[in-house]
Amino acid sequence: AQSVTQLDSHVSVSEGTPVLLRCNYSSSYSPSLFWYVQHPNKGLQLLLKYTSAATLVKGINGFEAEFKKSETSFHLTKPSAHMSDAAEYFCVVGSGGSNYKLTFGKGTLLTVNP
Amino acid sequence: GAGVSQTPSNKVTEKGKYVELRCDPISGHTALYWYRQSLGQGPEFLIYFQGTGAADDSGLPNDRFFAVRPEGSVSTLKIQRTERGDSAVYLCASSLEGPSNYGYTFGSGTRLTVV
Repeated sequence: AQSVTQLDSHVSVSEGTPVLLRCNYSSSYSPSLFWYVQHPNKGLQLLLKYTSAATLVKGINGFEAEFKKSETSFHLTKPSAHMSDAAEYFCVVGSGGSNYKLTFGKGTLLTVNP
Repeated sequence: GAGVSQTPSNKVTEKGKYVELRCDPISGHTALYWYRQSLGQGPEFLIYFQGTGAADDSGLPNDRFFAVRPEGSVSTLKIQRTERGDSAVYLCASSLEGPSNYGYTFGSGTRLTVV
């Protein structure tokens, strides 16, 4: 069985400062990991995915995430926050064998202050 | 279509009524998924279709919930005798093939409110 823990329910940063959204996972298999973003009244959008090809994953809009097996972590970062980054972010693990069943974390609400 | 389309975007119904939620996947996508997102939570898996058949319906909470995909394209999630606890956003996603490592395309969801 797999699970995801997002360590912060709410993160607030100033525009232009770095973003760090923390995620720890538990998986019986070599995991597939994702970050999704959800803007108000919009659908979930895939930011990036880890599928064992490289531990540092680059996604859209300047976001990155690093897979650290020893720490069972997959934290999301961005060097400089933009106002448009304000949204809910979900860390997600896919079932090891099939990946069709996604297990979502509870989400981290990112607020960006001017 | 260009994306996954879900209708209606909002649905308010009275406790005990029957509702149907519709999902139009991306054209040609054989796999379709339903998730439910309750307030303050991440989405939770309900059911996965491969073509016309439900390959995994283990996430459906009880027998009041049922989903179909008769022609392998559009899917309908049906909820009988709705309860206030069914209030949530119901999300649909699709992918080109079956199990995939590469994420899925989600629709904007149907917000169901049971009063």
